[in-house]
Amino acid sequence: EAGVAQSPRYKIIEKRQSVAFWCNPISGHATLYWYQQILGQGPKLLIQFQNNGVVDDSQLPKDRFSAERLKGVDSTLKIQPAKLEDSAVYLCASSLGQTNQPQHFGDGTRLSIL
Amino acid sequence: GDSVTQMEGPVTLSEEAFLTINCTYTATGYPSLFWYVQYPGEGLQLLLKATKADDKGSNKGFEATYRKETTSFHLEKGSVQVSDSAVYFCALYGQNFVFGPGTRLSVLP
Repeated sequence: EAGVAQSPRYKIIEKRQSVAFWCNPISGHATLYWYQQILGQGPKLLIQFQNNGVVDDSQLPKDRFSAERLKGVDSTLKIQPAKLEDSAVYLCASSLGQTNQPQHFGDGTRLSIL
Repeated sequence: GDSVTQMEGPVTLSEEAFLTINCTYTATGYPSLFWYVQYPGEGLQLLLKATKADDKGSNKGFEATYRKETTSFHLEKGSVQVSDSAVYFCALYGQNFVFGPGTRLSVLP
């Protein structure tokens, strides 16, 4: 079974620029998560989708971050404009169901803001 | 809101030593509890889980018991190997997924 695919693996941008990340979950997984993992910390949930609907986006900084999952499969996460504190690894994960199903993580996108 | 607290690392052990990584949580209701592991250069992967009180999750020689009375889910292994060197994250699912800060384990030969 193919795992969760993310791209790009690395991205370097200057502050105030915009950036987008892409995630393709495991086939058949209805639930998709985006996390932000700052160096030395645990992943922090940004947004959770169930199919193409948002289940939880309470920790998403909506003034600069946006995410979509238009057809209930692939997802994109965008930051516009980026700030220095957005430097982190952005992780995508997917699971079969919404409740306590284990998540399968992608390798992440490491974002550096100059 | 829900939260997870883990013992601070790094933890350094010699091969074949006994491992305990403490994890306690705060949550309303009855969350599911997980341990995830991140090996060097790899992504996060599920190590074990428990979904109700007194359940014991186990995998690869690691185990953890869901203790509701102490709101804990401590990770243990009887004899660690160099290949167990990684960062270990305790996590819960209540309202949503919440991860602890991680504990780095280094096992020396």
